[in-house]
Order: sequence, then structure tokens, then C-alpha cells
Amino acid sequence: NAGVTQTPKFRVLKTGQSMTLLCAQDMNHEYMYWYRQDPGMGLRLIHYSVGEGTTAKGEVPDGYNVSRLKKQNFLLGLESAAPSQTSVYFCASRETGTRNEQYFGPGTRLTVT
Amino acid sequence: SQQGEEDPQALSIQEGENATMNCSYKTSINNLQWYRQNSGRGLVHLILIRSNEREKHSGRLRVTLDTSKKSSSLLITASRAADTASYFCATDASGGSYIPTFGRGTSLIVHP
Repeated sequence: NAGVTQTPKFRVLKTGQSMTLLCAQDMNHEYMYWYRQDPGMGLRLIHYSVGEGTTAKGEVPDGYNVSRLKKQNFLLGLESAAPSQTSVYFCASRETGTRNEQYFGPGTRLTVT
Repeated sequence: SQQGEEDPQALSIQEGENATMNCSYKTSINNLQWYRQNSGRGLVHLILIRSNEREKHSGRLRVTLDTSKKSSSLLITASRAADTASYFCATDASGGSYIPTFGRGTSLIVHP
């Protein structure tokens, strides 16, 4: 199993540009999440999904959109990037059975200039 | 807003010593999880303790949970340089939520 993968690993955007981050998991998990991690702030939840075709807002959803057209993929979009969105973005999926663990991707480091 | 808050923010110890990190939270929970994050990597799940459990062990890790004080501790015994990482607690609120809330983490440095 590849686990959770994220594409791309690094990206530099200019203010106002758009991009999509792709997250894929091969563990058949229903729950998927997008977080951002900033120095000293821990992980903050942007959006999450409880299954194919569903999405919901997390703690810091403004400026981001998501889609979950297929169970294994969870896309995070930035329509008009701002310097405040410079961060490291992590995707995660979760097994909600006995083990109840979250599995994280390696992260995407995004810089908006 | 962060539900869990780890203490201390940073911890520096020598190899072989024990490391203790604490996590406090605010609302009722179903369970509490601890994660490790090595520099530049994603988080890795270490251990989950349910609200009706008081202590759990996994290898050199010992986790305790005190729901009356809304706090948990993670003890790493006989630490190694490879334990150098940030450690985060995360809580699932009561009611069957699978949306964990993370703390800001404890940065642990183990000197060889």
C-alpha cells in the first residue's frame, strides 16, 4: 500500500494564481482531511470529507475549496492565492474501525509571493 | 481553536533519560491520540487511549489519561536520539466525532 500520497511536494505561486493540491489514499478510508501547519500553530483543519461526494468546512476554510468525486481522492483548491496561504499542507485519511488511526501524507510546502 | 494544549512547548534531554509531555483539553472526549512528527514529514500515529481507559503502553511509550482533570501525559522511557521529533496530542469530542482537534505540539530534542 502507498498509504496517503500528496501532489505536488513543493510549489511557489504568485498572489492571485490558482492551484489544486491532490491527495490520494489506497486504504478505502471514508474520512479524509486537509490541514495546514504553520509555525507555532499546530495543525488546523481546513476542510474534511466523511465519504465520496461529501465535504464540510473545518476551522479555517476561507480561501479554499475541496472536492471528493472519488473515494480515494480529495482535492484542495486555492482559487486566488494570497501570501497568508503560505504554509505546509497535510492531507490525512482515517480508519474509523478498531484502530481508529489517522494516516498522514508527506505534506506540500506552498509559498505564495 | 486548539482543543489540546501540550506542555512543555520544548524539551531537551540526554539519551537514556525519560521524556514526559502533557496535554490538556477543554471538552468531553471519546478518545485522545498522540502523534509524532519528524522534521519535514507528516504525522505518524503513536497511540490512542479511549475515555474509559486510564493507562496504555506501547513499547517504550506510556500514555495516561485523567478525564477528571482533562489531561493526558506521554512518557517515553530510555529515550534515543531517533526520538527527536515534535509530539502532538489530538482529541475526538464526545458523540462519535471523527474530527480530531490538535494541539500545538511539544518539540523534543534528545542529545546523543
